[in-house]
Amino acid sequence: SYVLTQAPSVSVAPGQTATIPCGGDKVGSKSVHWYQQKPGQAPVLVVYDDTDRPSGIPERFSGSNSGNTATLTISRVETGDEADYYCQVWDTRDAHMVFGGGTKLTVL
Amino acid sequence: QVQLQESGPGLVKPSQTLSLTCTVSGASISSGGSFWTWIRQPAGKGLEWIGRIYTGGNTYYNSSLKSRVTISEDTSKNQFSLRLSSVTAADTALYYCARERTRSKGIDFWGQGTLVTVSS
Repeated sequence: SYVLTQAPSVSVAPGQTATIPCGGDKVGSKSVHWYQQKPGQAPVLVVYDDTDRPSGIPERFSGSNSGNTATLTISRVETGDEADYYCQVWDTRDAHMVFGGGTKLTVL
Repeated sequence: QVQLQESGPGLVKPSQTLSLTCTVSGASISSGGSFWTWIRQPAGKGLEWIGRIYTGGNTYYNSSLKSRVTISEDTSKNQFSLRLSSVTAADTALYYCARERTRSKGIDFWGQGTLVTVSS
């Protein structure tokens, strides 16, 4: 079965740029979505189809996807961005939705 | 604005069947263009996809749960449901229903989640 690998945690200072990678075999050939989940809340879609942002999501959130790594980038990080971030794809071979294990973003 | 609301028992005994319903407002589950999805999250852990249903009853299930899962729809009530049989403590989790748009648009609306505990 298809596996997405995320680092358990990333730390960044306010105002800096956070990069959250998501690794998977040839993930660049798949469409990757990213979700932000704050404690006690349901996840929120922040990037879909590798690079697109839903309405209402700040431009500070951006995505890229190539080769074996997809990346969520958060520019000018704010304390309110502190959350768990999950990447997700649809594995067409097994007809499965797959989530990465999640990365906890800490804003120092 | 699409809204989803999970409902069902919060406590299920081991070996019994977990049953949850998701009531959708602001969109019709029979209109096409969306998959209606169940996802769960054990306390302190990540997201696990359970399965989804598309208009007309086409279903897809997580193979690790497939033998125990059934997702169905009631278009007259604009609801879809989850049944998970032979539950154990490992099925204790926060269960979310959600809408996934087709054509690689991701999951754009989620319910608030409902906690289901499996315990005698």
